[in-house]
Amino acid sequence: DTGVSQDPRHKITKRGQNVTFRCDPISEHNRLYWYRQTLGQGPEFLTYFQNEAQLEKSRLLSDRFSAERPKGSFSTLEIQRTEQGDSAMYLCASHGGNSPLHFGNGTRLTVT
Amino acid sequence: AQSVTQPDIHITVSEGASLELRCNYSYGATPYLFWYVQSPGQGLQLLLKYFSGDTLVQGIKGFEAEFKRSQSSFNLRKPSVHWSDAAEYFCAVGAYNNNDMRFGAGTRLTVKP
Repeated sequence: DTGVSQDPRHKITKRGQNVTFRCDPISEHNRLYWYRQTLGQGPEFLTYFQNEAQLEKSRLLSDRFSAERPKGSFSTLEIQRTEQGDSAMYLCASHGGNSPLHFGNGTRLTVT
Repeated sequence: AQSVTQPDIHITVSEGASLELRCNYSYGATPYLFWYVQSPGQGLQLLLKYFSGDTLVQGIKGFEAEFKRSQSSFNLRKPSVHWSDAAEYFCAVGAYNNNDMRFGAGTRLTVKP
């Protein structure tokens, strides 16, 4: 499968814990995006990378959130000191050139 | 600022009936418009996109959409719905480089047998 893959699919954590998600984009795609989707809503942009450079961050991305793409391939999204409001589906997407976004299946986070 | 409105939160149609999902957008420049479909617990799959040219675009799974600049609309249609089309549908508007893509809140489609 050469699509966008995300790991884990589901994560349940207690409030205050740190969590980290991983995204492996389509290999030839140089741009990688993170979105958050809450129930009944469309995805909301969090941040994006062009290769290893993080070029834009949404105001939704508080200082408890950090994303990296150290080698311009896979990316990680870490949430520190999780809060119940962080419960959501975290989607990763990638694209290259003029192609549209290709999404992974997401990581569903539940903070108890 | 760009935004997308999907007026219908939930639509129910009978299998074999026609379908139209509405999408209205607000965008300051030439919009790039998309329709995505999402099944429960899954990511989003692109159905079709409009960048320029013919305002009626064909997508996968028998879907089509028509761009109407005068109405700021990009409605999705299918002549005959199948039970497997039951899912959440998202309209999105963005720039050429996808950086500022905004999604609507989605329309949930239920298909009755």
